[in-house]
Amino acid sequence: DIQMTQSPSSLSASVGDGVTITCRATQTITTYLNWYQQKPGKAPNLLIYAASSLQSGVPSRFSGSGSGTDFTLTISSLQPEDFATYYCQQSSTTPPTFGQGTKVEIK
Amino acid sequence: QLQLQESGPGLVKPSKTLALTCTVSGGSISSSGNYWGWIRQPPGKGLEWIATISSSGGTYYNPSLKSRVTISIDTSQNQFSLKLSSVTAADTAVYYCAKNTGGYIFDYWGQGTLVTVSS
Repeated sequence: DIQMTQSPSSLSASVGDGVTITCRATQTITTYLNWYQQKPGKAPNLLIYAASSLQSGVPSRFSGSGSGTDFTLTISSLQPEDFATYYCQQSSTTPPTFGQGTKVEIK
Repeated sequence: QLQLQESGPGLVKPSKTLALTCTVSGGSISSSGNYWGWIRQPPGKGLEWIATISSSGGTYYNPSLKSRVTISIDTSQNQFSLKLSSVTAADTAVYYCAKNTGGYIFDYWGQGTLVTVSS
């Protein structure tokens, strides 16, 4: 299985801050990388697919980049509703696998 | 707007079979190219993909669970289902059903259902 490792595991930031989360795969996945946001007690919500494509309805302050094994999710200006846990997920091979999550907390 | 809703027992005894159903509304489960899957999340932990089924019945399983899992689809009811046999406490989790698009991109999710394995 391809292992996905996110960093950091958690971070504290203020409203208006820019935030970057990193995801690394144990082997190349080209751009088969997706990002999800999960709020407590809720299902994950797809933000970014194919490394950099913004899912319909997702605010443009979210962006993704990367290819191969290294990827980033950037939130350009944190909003109160963005405090949540973020997961990367590879969709290159079976089984699809998720990172361990990055919790974004209010400073 | 596509909606998915999980249903099934919230408590299962060890060694028994967990059985869940996902009902899809707002769209047809049998539309060509649609895939449907199950993902679980143990309390306080990360996400684990379990299985996916195509609208035509093709199945894909996580090798780590394959020997215990069956996924099926009922197009007449617009539902798909999961069975997980020989459950243990390690199978306690929130189980989500989700639509897959473009191969393992989970773009619509159910709200999730907590299944506890306990005697």
